[in-house]
Amino acid sequence: DVKVTQSSRYLVKRTGEKVFLECVQDMDHENMFWYRQDPGLGLRLIYFSYDVKMKEKGDIPEGYSVSREKKERFSLILESASTNQTSMYLCASRTTSGSPIEQFFGPGTRLTVL
Amino acid sequence: KQEVTQIPAALSVPEGENLVLNCSFTDSAIYNLQWFRQDPGKGLTSLLLIQSSQREQTSGRLNASLDKSSGRSTLYIAASQPGDSATYLCAVLGYSTLTFGKGTMLLVSP
Repeated sequence: DVKVTQSSRYLVKRTGEKVFLECVQDMDHENMFWYRQDPGLGLRLIYFSYDVKMKEKGDIPEGYSVSREKKERFSLILESASTNQTSMYLCASRTTSGSPIEQFFGPGTRLTVL
Repeated sequence: KQEVTQIPAALSVPEGENLVLNCSFTDSAIYNLQWFRQDPGKGLTSLLLIQSSQREQTSGRLNASLDKSSGRSTLYIAASQPGDSATYLCAVLGYSTLTFGKGTMLLVSP
């Protein structure tokens, strides 16, 4: 079974702190994704990566950056956390080969910025 | 831009009922459609995936159908149980990324 893990289930940070959210997948997937999920707004794509050292902006990249130095790991970075970044963050991975092309999600990180 | 709509937004049924969740999308140029389940405070669990060339998929008490030409999918849950209570999300895969609906929150009461 595909496993996507996230470094923390719950995280509390202060405004202005630099925050790192880590995601690791164990199935050698090329594509990895970061979403945030907010009540009434659904899931919104922040950034995604096609492969190592490659990244693409999603729908709401402002205030975030990402890093993918190894294929299995995709990090989301909040350079200077703000209260409006309080949210549930979900990581996902997906292969590009074979069929079907199915996306798998991690358990989520609930981030609170005070 | 692809838009995905799920109706109803919330549904409450007594245990044992059969029920249908609806999903519609605006752009029929999709590779596949996935149905996910999300429990409160948790991540998404993939339930069923229908490829664009398929009409339906079944897993246990769940059956998902796809009518790509009309931009619609349904998730049918037979003999609902309290353990089915969760939010159900529909997502379509376009050129590169999934587009999600906002989900249907299902409550099955004993």
